[in-house]
Amino acid sequence: AQSVTQPDIHITVSEGASLELRCNYSYGATPYLFWYVQSPGQGLQLLLKYFSGDTLVQGIKGFEAEFKRSQSSFNLRKPSVHWSDAAEYFCAVGAYNFNKFYFGSGTKLNVKP
Amino acid sequence: DSGVTQTPKHLITATGQRVTLRCSPRSGDLSVYWYQQSLDQGLQFLIQYYNGEERAKGNILERFSAQQFPDLHSELNLSSLELGDSALYFCASSVGTSGGVSTDTQYFGPGTRLTVL
Repeated sequence: AQSVTQPDIHITVSEGASLELRCNYSYGATPYLFWYVQSPGQGLQLLLKYFSGDTLVQGIKGFEAEFKRSQSSFNLRKPSVHWSDAAEYFCAVGAYNFNKFYFGSGTKLNVKP
Repeated sequence: DSGVTQTPKHLITATGQRVTLRCSPRSGDLSVYWYQQSLDQGLQFLIQYYNGEERAKGNILERFSAQQFPDLHSELNLSSLELGDSALYFCASSVGTSGGVSTDTQYFGPGTRLTVL
């Protein structure tokens, strides 16, 4: 069965520190992978996506993610976190010709001053 | 601002009632998607419409239905409401020319918060 796992429910980092949010997927075919961010009371905003090609993907707001097929992972990273990055982050997976789309359970990021 | 609008922002109703949520996609987008976000179920894909026709179905209950009109706006109808239907309902839209719900870049609206008392 297809699934997306975000093992960390809450993460707290200090402002200026680096960040890595984990995402693991289970899918038989080539996945299409997405990271979305949801600020409190807001809708979801796409940070980045991976369809094919270079496995290191650059997104908005200084985020990047790396697709590692051997580890079935698509972890989100940022070298230096800003207080405005405090939000909930969702990993999602789909696939071509597969009419389903799955979100992970989300990781809430707190940023300490 | 994603360009996707949803009305109303908040809705409070009673069990057994019926409500309609409305979504206007971004200009030029042909696909509309509906999602439910609740504390216990997380974010779940409900249904997708493309240019007026149903294209994909997720975990949508039989009490729920949707449609997309010729002007491409969409409505999600929720009937015989139960306490467990209380959730945030998101609409998203996409251009809709590639692989559908699984691959299109979706742009999300701000959501409608439904509270069933």
